Amino acid sequence: DAGVTQSPTHLIKTRGQQVTLRCSPKSGHDTVSWYQQALGQGPQFIFQYYEEEERQRGNFPDRFSGHQFPNYSSELNVNALLLGDSALYLCASSAWSNQPQHFGDGTRLSIL
Amino acid sequence: KQEVTQIPAALSVPEGENLVLNCSFTDSAIYNLQWFRQDPGKGLTSLLLIQSSQREQTSGRLNASLDKSSGRSTLYIAASQPGDSATYLCAVRPGNTGKLIFGQGTTLQVKP
Repeated sequence: DAGVTQSPTHLIKTRGQQVTLRCSPKSGHDTVSWYQQALGQGPQFIFQYYEEEERQRGNFPDRFSGHQFPNYSSELNVNALLLGDSALYLCASSAWSNQPQHFGDGTRLSIL
Repeated sequence: KQEVTQIPAALSVPEGENLVLNCSFTDSAIYNLQWFRQDPGKGLTSLLLIQSSQREQTSGRLNASLDKSSGRSTLYIAASQPGDSATYLCAVRPGNTGKLIFGQGTTLQVKP
């Protein structure tokens, strides 16, 4: 039973570019949440998707957007990248929003 | 606004010691509290989840307690081993929302 899988594992971009990160939830899970973890910090909630809609959003600018597909997989898009966007991006899935979240290994995004 | 604080930020102990990691939160209206482990460059592994109506949970050498009224949780690790070396994160789920609010973590080193 595959857990939460994220791709790619590492990514290097330059300022101003756009990036798309991908997440496949654990089997049986229909809710996907995204978190940003800067070095030495705890993860910060970006947003959560359920039934292909954004249900909750943290304190992140509109440059951060997402999508959930009918198979429950999800994408995180970040436009106009800034140096401060360098972080580990974690995807978590759950069976509905109030169930325990299972995390993937993340995508390490570096902005030059 | 819910804030989560973890003390200490770092801890180094000799193998075999019993230790306690602390987590405090500012708003007692939580749905549950979860302790995670994070190895360097990796995602989060859930260790223990305590529902708001519970006082403690145990798994092997780990015991987590919750005192909602005082806004505190502790993670007790018995007979520590070098393999326990990692960052330990505490997270609360506010009310019946889907997001998790994390502390900054405690980085534990267990020396052989």
